[in-house]
Amino acid sequence: KAGVTQTPRYLIKTRGQQVTLSCSPISGHRSVSWYQQTPGQGLQFLFEYFSETQRNKGNFPGRFSGRQFSNSRSEMNVSTLELGDSALYLCASSFTLDSPPYEQYFGPGTRLTVT
Amino acid sequence: ELKVEQNPLFLSMQEGKNYTIYCNYSTTSDRLYWYRQDPGKSLESLFVLLSNGAVKQEGRLMASLDTKARLSTLHITAAVHDLSATYFCAVGEGLTGGGNKLTFGTGTQLKVEL
Repeated sequence: KAGVTQTPRYLIKTRGQQVTLSCSPISGHRSVSWYQQTPGQGLQFLFEYFSETQRNKGNFPGRFSGRQFSNSRSEMNVSTLELGDSALYLCASSFTLDSPPYEQYFGPGTRLTVT
Repeated sequence: ELKVEQNPLFLSMQEGKNYTIYCNYSTTSDRLYWYRQDPGKSLESLFVLLSNGAVKQEGRLMASLDTKARLSTLHITAAVHDLSATYFCAVGEGLTGGGNKLTFGTGTQLKVEL
């Protein structure tokens, strides 16, 4: 079956702009999590959505937000971009994270560059 | 706050040799993940370990979990060049509102020399 898809794959933005990234989970999966990967901070949890509800949020400023639609597709938005937001943004899909096997499958990522 | 430490950070090894990557974590968890990442690519799921003493093997890779010691290991047997990649361990935290948050280690960059 098809894996997790993320669009766009690459993005270049200017400081102060905003950006929206999209993630389509594996068919049947209801949980979507977002992670940021940078050389300096590594992989960090942004937030998790399940059935259109944000259940958990990591330690990121309010400029980072997201949502999930009824078809489980998710978007994340970053407003007022800063140079430090340049990163690979990864989306992870899971059927559920409330019971085993807790498998999470990652998409190819969106590489965001802020200039 | 959960801390996850991986070592070594860099590992250069010859084909045919064995080696082990270690993953220590600071608080109790019953979910330990191993992922592989190739340069410029996403994370590929290798193993999910859910109980003390769990051992899983796939090809030349074997992962184990000791929840009492808060330690997981990824053992590489008879390394081949194709195993060159960065390997991450991650610890899952079940959260009050439900769901799961992964805290990742720093990664081990493995290079297998031909």
